Amino acid sequence: AQSVTQPDIHITVSEGASLELRCNYSYGATPYLFWYVQSPGQGLQLLLKYFSGDTLVQGIKGFEAEFKRSQSSFNLRKPSVHWSDAAEYFCAVDHTGGFKTIFGAGTRLFVKA
Amino acid sequence: KAGVTQTPRYLIKTRGQQVTLSCSPISGHRSVSWYQQTPGQGLQFLFEYFSETQRNKGNFPGRFSGRQFSNSRSEMNVSTLELGDSALYLCASSYDRGYTFGSGTRLTVV
Repeated sequence: AQSVTQPDIHITVSEGASLELRCNYSYGATPYLFWYVQSPGQGLQLLLKYFSGDTLVQGIKGFEAEFKRSQSSFNLRKPSVHWSDAAEYFCAVDHTGGFKTIFGAGTRLFVKA
Repeated sequence: KAGVTQTPRYLIKTRGQQVTLSCSPISGHRSVSWYQQTPGQGLQFLFEYFSETQRNKGNFPGRFSGRQFSNSRSEMNVSTLELGDSALYLCASSYDRGYTFGSGTRLTVV
């Protein structure tokens, strides 16, 4: 069965510092992968997605993610974090049978001044 | 264009009651999915509808049900509410791959 693991429950970075959020997936074939962000009390917003092709994908708000098949990873990165990036981030994979997406447990990002 | 609209935003119900939540997807999106989000369990898939047909269902008891109308609007119903049903219920619509989420309905069962 497909699964998504986000090893870090929470991460704290200084404003202006770089960020990398980890995501590992379990999937038999080439997966459809996503990163979403959720601000408190709100729904999730799609940051970026990977289906095929170039393994480095660009998203909104200056985020990017790299797909590494050999490591079953899809890590999210941002070169310089802003205080407004503080939120919870979810990695997700589409289910093989289709028609649903499986989410990781999320990583809460704290940004310190 | 308008986003995914969920109503109501907040709801307080008593154990044993039933509740209906509504979701209006983005125009042109025919797939609507529902998720339950709790601090302990995270995001749990409830069901997905496409053109009024349920194509997938999560591992929830039969008290949880849903439907989709011809205009793609969707409702979910929870009968005989339990305290453990307190959660943020999120609706998401999709045209292809990737969701657009609504802001959710915060259900509190007392």
